[in-house]
Amino acid sequence: EDQVTQSPEALRLQEGESSSLNCSYTVSGLRGLFWYRQDPGKGPEFLFTLYSAGEEKEKERLKATLTKKESFLHITAPKPEDSATYLCAVHLSGGSYIPTFGRGTSLIVHP
Amino acid sequence: KAGVTQTPRYLIKTRGQQVTLSCSPISGHRSVSWYQQTPGQGLQFLFEYFSETQRNKGNFPGRFSGRQFSNSRSEMNVSTLELGDSALYLCASSFSPSGPQETAYFGPGTRLLVL
Repeated sequence: EDQVTQSPEALRLQEGESSSLNCSYTVSGLRGLFWYRQDPGKGPEFLFTLYSAGEEKEKERLKATLTKKESFLHITAPKPEDSATYLCAVHLSGGSYIPTFGRGTSLIVHP
Repeated sequence: KAGVTQTPRYLIKTRGQQVTLSCSPISGHRSVSWYQQTPGQGLQFLFEYFSETQRNKGNFPGRFSGRQFSNSRSEMNVSTLELGDSALYLCASSFSPSGPQETAYFGPGTRLLVL
């Protein structure tokens, strides 16, 4: 069964303490991998789409990378406002589009 | 540009009732997808509509249905509500003229509580 696993489930960092979140997948025929940020009580906010192994994208303190079986979301010198749940989702190649989401990583950044 | 709007934001229903949720996509977006989010199952894809046609469907029972209007606004309906249908229902819109969603913009969600 195709699966998306995110780790760790929860992460507490001190402001300025860089770290990485992981999203591993067992699907075949990956068409795209998406990263979202979700704040409590709100809908997910799109961050990045990655399509092929070796691809990297950056936005402010966030950098997403993709290999053949996993993606990393690197957070450099995080600030308290980076606290949120980070979700990844994969989309398979083929005619239909049914995204599979991971359970998310809950990030708390302490000042 | 106005974002995705969903109404109502909160809803309380009892078992056996039915419910209709509404989603207005970003202007110019023709693809609307619906998701269910629960603490136990996470975020799960329900279905996607494009130009008034259901283009993709997730693994949910037939009690969950949807439709899209000519102005791209969409509604989803859940009939014969069960306790397990309590969840945050999210709508997302994207431009997506000929393929799957890429940059999807989510609404704030409708929180449904079934008693």
